[in-house]
Amino acid sequence: DAGITQSPRYKITETGRQVTLMCHQTWSHSYMFWYRQDLGHGLRLIYYSAAADITDKGEVPDGYVVSRSKTENFPLTLESATRSQTSVYFCASSEASLSGNTIYFGEGSWLTVV
Amino acid sequence: DAKTTQPTSMDCAEGRAANLPCNHSTISGNEYVYWYRQIHSQGPQYIIHGLKNNETNEMASLIITEDRKSSTLILPHATLRDTAVYYCIVRAPRNQGGKLIFGQGTELSVKP
Repeated sequence: DAGITQSPRYKITETGRQVTLMCHQTWSHSYMFWYRQDLGHGLRLIYYSAAADITDKGEVPDGYVVSRSKTENFPLTLESATRSQTSVYFCASSEASLSGNTIYFGEGSWLTVV
Repeated sequence: DAKTTQPTSMDCAEGRAANLPCNHSTISGNEYVYWYRQIHSQGPQYIIHGLKNNETNEMASLIITEDRKSSTLILPHATLRDTAVYYCIVRAPRNQGGKLIFGQGTELSVKP
């Protein structure tokens, strides 16, 4: 299903440019997450958000900025892109409850910094 | 954040059960165990999750030991389409952000 969508799916940008990756979910999930996955490696958490206007750093936040003014959107901005930020970026969302909830992932945004 | 340890790779014959182990010895009482898989570079796909009891759904079964320090994901009749990287993850509780921290996963190869 298309409950969580990422855009753009593919992007090539130059070093030093600002890039924003968009993430939109239609479920009104409280939690949203951004991960990056470098070629041949696992996913690493960049930032996450427990609700609108609440964000927190993950494992690798340097060089990234996030905002969450609306529950359904969680944009990720690379303020000055570097080649080391070439990666696949995955957005995810989840309900908030005391019991375990499924985290749903988007299809990814492939970013190449040249 | 509780860490998980998985074998780097495993092979399984098509039609047989695939048993993927995971150690999570530092898990706390309110942390759930999740399993995801990733085929090529697609978005991770949810498989199953559990807290204490064994769980089963249409895709797999999850067996959690009584002390909760390890678990096993069982794919009852593996097919070639089950070839993927499987991630065992302990999810932080809600009051710690509810985040999922991925490890390196197990690369499962299902062979004809």
